[in-house]
Amino acid sequence: SQTIHQWPATLVQPVGSPLSLECTVEGTSNPNLYWYRQAAGRGLQLLFYSVGIGQISSEVPQNLSASRPQDRQFILSSKKLLLSDSGFYLCAWDRGRSYEQYFGPGTRLTVT
Amino acid sequence: GESVGLHLPTLSVQEGDNSIINCAYSNSASDYFIWYKQESGKGPQFIIDIRSNMDKRQGQRVTVLLNKTVKHLSLQIAATQPGDSAVYFCAEKGATNKLIFGTGTLLAVQP
Repeated sequence: SQTIHQWPATLVQPVGSPLSLECTVEGTSNPNLYWYRQAAGRGLQLLFYSVGIGQISSEVPQNLSASRPQDRQFILSSKKLLLSDSGFYLCAWDRGRSYEQYFGPGTRLTVT
Repeated sequence: GESVGLHLPTLSVQEGDNSIINCAYSNSASDYFIWYKQESGKGPQFIIDIRSNMDKRQGQRVTVLLNKTVKHLSLQIAATQPGDSAVYFCAEKGATNKLIFGTGTLLAVQP
């Protein structure tokens, strides 16, 4: 069966510090991978998606970036965090357009 | 948690009653729809999906209904239990791989 992992689960970082969140998927190959952000009491905002190694599409202009160094690894980064980067970050995967999308447990990021 | 907030529409039901959560989707070209359950502080959990060539699909205690004419989706939960308390999101997919999420509904089950 497939499993998706995210770490860390919780992170508190000062403004201006760098960020690296990691997501890995087990039990499948060549998944589509996604990064979302969820603000309190809100829906999910798609940040990045990837259909293959090194292929990243950005949905929202911001100071975040994403990379996919391996088939089942997806990384969300920032060089300098802003207060507005606080939120709940979710990684997800699916097999394609007509397949269900599964989410990881999320990382709660608080920028202070 | 991040998924539960004061600004979400709320549906309050008694334990044992049936729940119906509604969703209006935006794109008439969307052909695949998913319902998710999100508990406080956790990632969304897949519940059930439906493709546009169907108007009804049943799972364990859940039924999804799709009305393409009015772009409406509903999730019915039979014999609602306290463990069903969560935020429920509908999501649609169209020509791309991208899911578009609704704003969510908070289901509160009263014992």
